[in-house]
Amino acid sequence: GAVVSQHPSRVICKSGTSVKIECRSLDFQATTMFWYRQFPKQSLMLMATSNEGSKATYEQGVEKDKFLINHASLTLSTLTVTSAHPEDSSFYICSAPRSGQGVDTQYFGPGTRLTVL
Amino acid sequence: AQSVTQLDSQVPVFEEAPVELRCNYSSSVSVYLFWYVQYPNQGLQLLLKYLSGSTLVKGINGFEAEFNKSQTSFHLRKPSVHISDTAEYFCAVSASGNTGKLIFGQGTTLQVKP
Repeated sequence: GAVVSQHPSRVICKSGTSVKIECRSLDFQATTMFWYRQFPKQSLMLMATSNEGSKATYEQGVEKDKFLINHASLTLSTLTVTSAHPEDSSFYICSAPRSGQGVDTQYFGPGTRLTVL
Repeated sequence: AQSVTQLDSQVPVFEEAPVELRCNYSSSVSVYLFWYVQYPNQGLQLLLKYLSGSTLVKGINGFEAEFNKSQTSFHLRKPSVHISDTAEYFCAVSASGNTGKLIFGQGTTLQVKP
């Protein structure tokens, strides 16, 4: 089956630093990837759509200058949390529809837990 | 715009009993509907989906769901649960034909007791 990986799985950083999270589709190409955040005991909230070769599309209320997204290749999207603060602590999850399989079939990464001290 | 409401935040049930997790949605356009499961410290796994056709959808692990357009519901059912079904369950919707953005419900914690 299709696999999506995320790295790192956990990261702890100091307030004010930047953190990069990678999302990779391991055995398929993904021209589009989605980034979600999940607070404890809450649902997933879509942050942005990552598009290979073009700018990301951000959901309303998500600061594009704070959450930088780069879709560098057909298998890699990165989310950089810039100048992180404690309120950015969350579980970040990416997903990718498999190209050619229809956007209704998405594969989710295992998530990255970010803790900002 | 679409929205999803999962009516129960927690559902405790004894092993081998039947269970229903409720999901209602709101949308002005036709939608695709999904149920995902999240085990502790793991990513989301697709249980089943409704795109079109038969309103009764069968998924993995013995789960099924029924799409009811008039009641805008997509409830998830299993006739006999196992301890291993203990997890967080999310109902999600996307506008059919769009780029695949999913709107999730708040989640339901299924607690299966021995």
